[in-house]
Amino acid sequence: AQTVTQSQPEMSVQEAETVTLSCTYDTSENNYYLFWYKQPPSRQMILVIRQEAYKQQNATENRFSVNFQKAAKSFSLKISDSQLGDTAMYFCAFESNAGNMLTFGGGTRLMVKP
Amino acid sequence: EPEVTQTPSHQVTQMGQEVILHCVPISNHLYFYWYRQILGQKVEFLVSFYNNEISEKSEIFDDQFSVERPDGSNFTLKIRSTKLEDSAMYFCASNRQGANYGYTFGSGTRLTVV
Repeated sequence: AQTVTQSQPEMSVQEAETVTLSCTYDTSENNYYLFWYKQPPSRQMILVIRQEAYKQQNATENRFSVNFQKAAKSFSLKISDSQLGDTAMYFCAFESNAGNMLTFGGGTRLMVKP
Repeated sequence: EPEVTQTPSHQVTQMGQEVILHCVPISNHLYFYWYRQILGQKVEFLVSFYNNEISEKSEIFDDQFSVERPDGSNFTLKIRSTKLEDSAMYFCASNRQGANYGYTFGSGTRLTVV
């Protein structure tokens, strides 16, 4: 079974600064997918970014980028130029290539301070 | 942008009562899911549904749980005899292409069993 670990329960960052959220996972599979989801106070889970394990290039979506280290089983999220609207819970999630379900980490609560 | 709609946003029920949580997935999506999040804990997979049948379910999804797509638009989760430990946020999700492409989540239903 896969496990996903987010070691930072809470983080804070000043507006316009850069912050990195950590995620590690454990799997014996070679092909899989990794995701970061954002859950603002409105509760809806919003997909931030997706990474395919067979791609070496790190995924990027505007101010959001990942540092995917397959050998280390690490998948961190970098948020550049943090905005107040980035305040939310952030969940890292794993999905196997053959599977049909997400395994989530415990989440990191990010507070962006003005 | 299309949304997954969940109703009600908050449901309070007495222990032992049946409860039905409602979801309207995005109209051209083919895969449907339920997840739950007990307060302060991880988001957990419950069940996936495709082509009018369950494709995968977790250990949590026991005989007390069932899902249905009664009319081609709604996707319901029924808990037959609620227990105190069923109190959680329940999230519905859908996607068009199945595994690995990311999911669109609803805003959740907060179920409180008293």
